[in-house]
Amino acid sequence: DTEVTQTPKHLVMGMTNKKSLKCEQHMGHRAMYWYKQKAKKPPELMFVYSYEKLSINESVPSRFSPECPNSSLLNLHLHALQPEDSALYLCASSRARIEKLFFGSGTQLSVL
Amino acid sequence: GQQLNQSPQSMFIQEGEDVSMNCTSSSIFNTWLWYKQDPGEGPVLLIALYKAGELTSNGRLTAQFGITRKDSFLNISASIPSDVGIYFCAGPLAGGTSYGKLTFGQGTILTVHP
Repeated sequence: DTEVTQTPKHLVMGMTNKKSLKCEQHMGHRAMYWYKQKAKKPPELMFVYSYEKLSINESVPSRFSPECPNSSLLNLHLHALQPEDSALYLCASSRARIEKLFFGSGTQLSVL
Repeated sequence: GQQLNQSPQSMFIQEGEDVSMNCTSSSIFNTWLWYKQDPGEGPVLLIALYKAGELTSNGRLTAQFGITRKDSFLNISASIPSDVGIYFCAGPLAGGTSYGKLTFGQGTILTVHP
């Protein structure tokens, strides 16, 4: 099983809403990632968790708040987003931080 | 920071043609990864390369890890309509505070005409 599962698939939210994106993997991977991707551009790294601890934060605004409740789950809490935050949000996992990444199918987020 | 220069940016080909794309860097990479992404989906890993000079195939896809460790190429033979998508090369940074961060090329958009 090489699957990374993300929910929801699509999300529309207003600028005052609070929502969460969820990611799950059962491959025993110890590194998990959040990426943001604009159309026809490469993914941009947001956060890296290694052994459930935040190890990289790419200077992401505080309106994005990651959480890693256990080794299989990764959440991204969203609050007071801006329209420019509309993008495809991708979760990924790898066996360790320098190993190949497996991506989920993403959450297409629209902020109105 | 380190960058991967991927070319071409886009390709328009006829079904059945072969395709070649490449990535180059000014820095040495120890691993090269090739991903394909369909619209609205996440990138899917096609091939992973770990040794300089390594040539690896996955069906109609063949990728090579350049001998200088600063480049890699991906070939697709006898293209079919489902090959349409964006292809990204990527490599993990190995040191310092960026340890484990994946650097991506800008992508090659492939269009296949039936």
